[in-house]
Amino acid sequence: GNSVTQMEGPVTLSEEAFLTINCTYTATGYPSLFWYVQYPGEGLQLLLKATKADDKGSNKGFEATYRKETTSFHLEKGSVQVSDSAVYFCALSNSYGNKLVFGAGTILRVKS
Amino acid sequence: EPEVTQTPSHQVTQMGQEVILRCVPISNHLYFYWYRQILGQKVEFLVSFYNNEISEKSEIFDDQFSVERPDGSNFTLKIRSTKLEDSAMYFCASSERGKHGYTFGSGTRLTVV
Repeated sequence: GNSVTQMEGPVTLSEEAFLTINCTYTATGYPSLFWYVQYPGEGLQLLLKATKADDKGSNKGFEATYRKETTSFHLEKGSVQVSDSAVYFCALSNSYGNKLVFGAGTILRVKS
Repeated sequence: EPEVTQTPSHQVTQMGQEVILRCVPISNHLYFYWYRQILGQKVEFLVSFYNNEISEKSEIFDDQFSVERPDGSNFTLKIRSTKLEDSAMYFCASSERGKHGYTFGSGTRLTVV
């Protein structure tokens, strides 16, 4: 079946540090890949997505590239801020209208 | 920007009681979902709904659960007889036909006591 594996957290960084959160997946076919962010006490917000191999999703300084050869979709940001502190979820979907399969989530804490 | 609206934001109920969680998806979306997140754990798929019927459901979605779209705008999740382990955050989501994007509501925190 489909699954998503994320690096375990929490990840604690100082402001302006470089961020990488690893995500790998197992899926049949060619899934679409997503990063969602959950700020404290809030719901899930789509951060970025990529729908085919070698696509790069980007938003708010975050980037992730769909790597089919390594089945990965790692999240990166060059310089994190305290306001980026949240839980980040990697997810996949096999087709339009199909369910999302989530990773376990990675807590990011950014200290000033 | 269009939103998925969920009510209530927090519900406390006694074990064995029925609860109905309500969602108003984005108006031109055709696919609807319920997910849940037990505190500190991953987000789990419960059920998807398309064309007025369930298109997929998980093992969690047993006979105690049901979904309905009673009036063309609301999308409800009913838990017939709640258990302590049903305590979780429940998220509604919707997506547009032919597009890879899911919009989530802000969730209902259900506490079963």
